[in-house]
Amino acid sequence: DSGVTQTPKHLITATGQRVTLRCSPRSGDLSVYWYQQSLDQGLQFLIQYYNGEERAKGNILERFSAQQFPDLHSELNLSSLELGDSALYFCASSPRGGAIYEQYFGPGTRLTVT
Amino acid sequence: DAKTTQPPSMDCAEGRAANLPCNHSTISGNEYVYWYRQIHSQGPQYIIHGLKNNETNEMASLIITEDRKSSTLILPHATLRDTAVYYCIVAGSARQLTFGSGTQLTVLP
Repeated sequence: DSGVTQTPKHLITATGQRVTLRCSPRSGDLSVYWYQQSLDQGLQFLIQYYNGEERAKGNILERFSAQQFPDLHSELNLSSLELGDSALYFCASSPRGGAIYEQYFGPGTRLTVT
Repeated sequence: DAKTTQPPSMDCAEGRAANLPCNHSTISGNEYVYWYRQIHSQGPQYIIHGLKNNETNEMASLIITEDRKSSTLILPHATLRDTAVYYCIVAGSARQLTFGSGTQLTVLP
């Protein structure tokens, strides 16, 4: 158990819909990362927040957005969902947002778009 | 970041050492070699990393060749719980992970 929690574990929704994925980082960690893992793309970095501020952006679509709240939990919002958005979405947290080996991953949310 | 090449799959007998190779011939001087694993769609787990010296921790050993163009992750006494996909990543100043296809290690009883 990494100490990072993600809800929900599974989500099934239809094309065109909007969903929100939630992440609670490890106690004391200030940085949160969102990743997408699909079968054909491997693990792809989406976005990073540090203490409430956006720190880095990766291959995140305009239909996706995220935020980190004052209590440091984070939400990833996915809208106008397409079949290709079906994937595992992981959240990771780290103390300072520096070295990649300091990232601890949550169990993930499996999103299925039908 | 440099590209890595790993075999798609390997088997290992329980209790024996598992040696997982990784080629990274285009690695540059400031890039580290990192190893992660992912057990059946769970979140990725950090194992070990190194720059040029061999490294050992409680999970594994990392052997990096002198020219740094390849490395080997060694799990000294593999157990069934070590069955996972193992990813070798080469990264410099990047703060974010990117995985390719990795090696599916199956530990056999």
